[in-house]
Amino acid sequence: DQQVKQNSPSLSVQEGRISILNCDYTNSMFDYFLWYKKYPAEGPTFLISISSIKDKNEDGRFTVFLNKSAKHLSLHIVPSQPGDSAVYFCAASGSKRIQGAQKLVFGQGTRLTINP
Amino acid sequence: DTGVSQDPRHKITKRGQNVTFRCDPISEHNRLYWYRQTLGQGPEFLTYFQNEAQLEKSRLLSDRFSAERPKGSFSTLEIQRTEQGDSAMYLCASSVLRDSLNEQYFGPGTRLTVT
Repeated sequence: DQQVKQNSPSLSVQEGRISILNCDYTNSMFDYFLWYKKYPAEGPTFLISISSIKDKNEDGRFTVFLNKSAKHLSLHIVPSQPGDSAVYFCAASGSKRIQGAQKLVFGQGTRLTINP
Repeated sequence: DTGVSQDPRHKITKRGQNVTFRCDPISEHNRLYWYRQTLGQGPEFLTYFQNEAQLEKSRLLSDRFSAERPKGSFSTLEIQRTEQGDSAMYLCASSVLRDSLNEQYFGPGTRLTVT
């Protein structure tokens, strides 16, 4: 039962253009969503997050959009840079009011390659 | 650097041996999580602690796996009688309980290879 899905295993984007990574979820109890970036042989690095009470959160070149009705979120990177090449994971968790809901449920990841 | 640290970074062991991994969280973080990641997949939750209390264990955590967090500081994950299917990256993360998003910060991981 894959509760968080990233349907694109890979994405290739030209340097300077916009990268859009997508993520879908099935569990309506999720109310926090996060994006992580992972380089080979390293642990995931936190990028940006969003609460279900918002539909957009922006941090520099990174913007996350949340569409609760569609159970869909996306990460936009503008402009894309060669250093952005990595595997990106979306993750979701439930309310902190519910014990055990704080674990993160991850998607399978999307490998982003930025071409010069 | 005051991030999450894990030791060792790599471990090669023979099937049937026991292994133990250590995680040191960010010092002010009271929550500590263990995840496992296999090739081509996202990290999967194993267990988590709030201070020294182990609050949840995944069904992935068979009885060969045990985790501890004495005194609510560092944590250890032990795998007894290792099997080839235990080969994976074992990730530790920590977070602080507060009214904000559930941001978990990961260590570099311990890569386990069971031969």
